[in-house]
Amino acid sequence: SQQGEEDPQALSIQEGENATMNCSYKTSINNLQWYRQNSGRGLVHLILIRSNEREKHSGRLRVTLDTSKKSSSLLITASRAADTASYFCATASANQAGTALIFGKGTTLSVSS
Amino acid sequence: ETGVTQSPTHLIKTRGQQVTLRCSSQSGHNTVSWYQQALGQGPQFIFQYYREEENGRGNFPPRFSGLQFPNYSSELNVNALELDDSALYLCASSPRISSGSVNEQFFGPGTRLTVL
Repeated sequence: SQQGEEDPQALSIQEGENATMNCSYKTSINNLQWYRQNSGRGLVHLILIRSNEREKHSGRLRVTLDTSKKSSSLLITASRAADTASYFCATASANQAGTALIFGKGTTLSVSS
Repeated sequence: ETGVTQSPTHLIKTRGQQVTLRCSSQSGHNTVSWYQQALGQGPQFIFQYYREEENGRGNFPPRFSGLQFPNYSSELNVNALELDDSALYLCASSPRISSGSVNEQFFGPGTRLTVL
């Protein structure tokens, strides 16, 4: 079953613009992670935010976490054509130690030049 | 690019057949997880192996089974293939199990399985 729901399902922007993707989840989490996937291949880890953190930055990425609303957002600033990919949020449950990441359905981002 | 490799890259099977997919984990990683990703969906957790033992399982039937070897490489076996088993199968490794959390997973490129 899918834990998270990303919004929007698809996003098209121009190079240089910012892209914001949102993720909602259902159960208590230990951490939330964002992954990128190019053309149906392997996933690449982008950033991990723990349940006691509210915001985290990595290069052009900014992630926020609101555990009271069970939601997270990923902001990519100054988008490039190379950012074109699918983005997934994944949650690590607080109730199940050391096993699964639960993924959402993803947001497909298209950045045109 | 991670150090996780998977073979084969693509595979075509017919309904009822059996398939074995292989994964070599990144050096130093002793935990391997397998995920199934149907077209247009997010990955779904199949199971995880830690030090050669199954350490957790998702909502998949027993015809999905696995192995982990002493060198931490892993196999996913699927018996009695069904059309709905057509998907991208992803393997992910990680350094160790941290109590109470799943940290960064390092994914391989996947095996695309088509069942006709």
